[in-house]
Amino acid sequence: SQQGEEDPQALSIQEGENATMNCSYKTSINNLQWYRQNSGRGLVHLILIRSNEREKHSGRLRVTLDTSKKSSSLLITASRAADTASYFCATALTGGGNKLTFGTGTQLKVEL
Amino acid sequence: DAGVIQSPRHEVTEMGQEVTLRCKPISGHDYLFWYRQTMMRGLELLIYFNNNVPIDDSGMPEDRFSAKMPNASFSTLKIQPSEPRDSAVYFCASRTSGKADTQYFGPGTRLTVL
Repeated sequence: SQQGEEDPQALSIQEGENATMNCSYKTSINNLQWYRQNSGRGLVHLILIRSNEREKHSGRLRVTLDTSKKSSSLLITASRAADTASYFCATALTGGGNKLTFGTGTQLKVEL
Repeated sequence: DAGVIQSPRHEVTEMGQEVTLRCKPISGHDYLFWYRQTMMRGLELLIYFNNNVPIDDSGMPEDRFSAKMPNASFSTLKIQPSEPRDSAVYFCASRTSGKADTQYFGPGTRLTVL
């Protein structure tokens, strides 16, 4: 079963708007990561947040983590058409070895 | 530096045929992962290696699937015999021990079994 469930499944916004995606997970984690996948391509790592961190920024990306609620959110500010992609959260489980468990993904479409 | 390289990029085969997918990880990376992505099941980890040794193959769906890593720069995923339900995109990813779980993905192989 999927460790991460993402919400919404699909999101359509206008260029310049902010996009927020959420990820919920089930068990204790060491860290949570977000990846982007453009159509027909492999996944690309965006940002990693550790279990003892609450917020992290990277350029136009902001990630929050609430371990009490077992949830994370990814905010993309001032979106661009080039941000159109699928976004996945991935969790490194406590005691899970070196594996990542990927969520179901959010399909983001940014329209001009 | 070159990223993770996978070949072929596309493979179309008939049911019952043997399929071999290939992966070259990033030089210096000591972990290699094989994933399968479908619309129904999302991205699933099949198997991963550390220093060429298989560590966890619990995601390999059945005996028809096998993976090898004969050296640090090459891995194969073989399906024999292939079935239509094996149709998916297969990704290889690699990482280094010193980079806190971040994985680097190849472009994938789109497999279609007719």
